[in-house]
Amino acid sequence: GNSVTQMEGPVTLSEEAFLTINCTYTATGYPSLFWYVQYPGEGLQLLLKATKADDKGSNKGFEATYRKETTSFHLEKGSVQVSDSAVYFCASRGTSGTYKYIFGTGTRLKVLA
Amino acid sequence: NAGVTQTPKFQVLKTGQSMTLQCAQDMNHEYMSWYRQDPGMGLRLIHYSVGAGITDQGEVPNGYNVSRSTTEDFPLRLLSAAPSQTSVYFCASSYSSGTSGRTGELFFGEGSRLTVL
Repeated sequence: GNSVTQMEGPVTLSEEAFLTINCTYTATGYPSLFWYVQYPGEGLQLLLKATKADDKGSNKGFEATYRKETTSFHLEKGSVQVSDSAVYFCASRGTSGTYKYIFGTGTRLKVLA
Repeated sequence: NAGVTQTPKFQVLKTGQSMTLQCAQDMNHEYMSWYRQDPGMGLRLIHYSVGAGITDQGEVPNGYNVSRSTTEDFPLRLLSAAPSQTSVYFCASSYSSGTSGRTGELFFGEGSRLTVL
């Protein structure tokens, strides 16, 4: 069945370091792909999305590119800030007849000043 | 602009008690869902609905019941609470992925933290 696998955390970085959180998926067809972020004590909110191969989603300095050939959607940021400390979830959603999201297990990021 | 509203935010129950977590959205979304979030387990889908009168089970439905009598509301009922149901519960809604022009972004409530003693 469909699945999303993301790197385990926690990830601890110093401020201004480069961030990569890996995400790969298995799916029938070409799902839409998402990254959600959860700040402490809050619900999840959409960070960025991509709906077809080679699309690049971007927001708040974060980027992820939909790679069909490697079935990946890795999250990157060139220079992290303390305020980026949160849990990041990769997710997929089918576009033909299915409504369910598939979430990864989440990756906790801690950025130190 | 309320979005997705969940109540209560915190609840403590004794084993065997029943309760209902409320969820309401004002965005006219077809799709609504309930997740539970446990440490190291990510988000697990409990139940979901693709429209009023239509519900279906997710991956962890046992011990929970749902109904969808209106587009706006999707309550989650715990029939007889157990300590294993101690968790943070999230309600989320979206347009259906097949709706023209919609990317199906999920909108989440702020969560309900439930403790079962």
